[in-house]
Amino acid sequence: EAGVAQSPRYKIIEKRQSVAFWCNPISGHATLYWYQQILGQGPKLLIQFQNNGVVDDSQLPKDRFSAERLKGVDSTLKIQPAKLEDSAVYLCASSLGGLAGDYNEQFFGPGTRLTVL
Amino acid sequence: QKEVEQNSGPLSVPEGAIASLNCTYSDRGSQSFFWYRQYSGKSPELIMFIYSNGDKEDGRFTAQLNKASQYVSLLIRDSQPSDSATYLCAVKGYGQNFVFGPGTRLSVLP
Repeated sequence: EAGVAQSPRYKIIEKRQSVAFWCNPISGHATLYWYQQILGQGPKLLIQFQNNGVVDDSQLPKDRFSAERLKGVDSTLKIQPAKLEDSAVYLCASSLGGLAGDYNEQFFGPGTRLTVL
Repeated sequence: QKEVEQNSGPLSVPEGAIASLNCTYSDRGSQSFFWYRQYSGKSPELIMFIYSNGDKEDGRFTAQLNKASQYVSLLIRDSQPSDSATYLCAVKGYGQNFVFGPGTRLSVLP
């Protein structure tokens, strides 16, 4: 079974530039998560999708971050414009979701390490 | 603001010893509790989860949950150098999202 795929693995940009990350979840996983993990901290949820609908985006800085999950499969996360404090690893995760969603394991992708100069 | 707290470490234990990792959480409505291991530069991977008070064992790992004290722990028996990593505690309420702690760095010394 293929895992969660993410690209690019690394990205270096200057502040005020824009950047986009891509995630392909495990086949059949209805729930997709984007997390931001700053060095030395635990992952912080940015947005959760159930199929192609947003379940929770309460911690997404909507003035600069956007995300979409068209057709309920792949997802993209965009930052425009980037700030220095956006330097972090952006993790995508997926899980089966559904009625047993609370006990479904999250599978994480390898992450995208973003450096904003 | 729901919070999950962990000692940042590093926690150093000799090879073969028991490593004890602790986690406290603020939301009494939390129902499921997860321990993830994260090697440096890698993504988190699930070790085990627990949702009932008491102990749950899986190989060398034992998770302990005390909801009254809002406390969850992970014991690693016969610690190996390959166990050296950051251990993340994550907490979830029913229908709510995961809240992760900052992680505890564990170093197992040969």
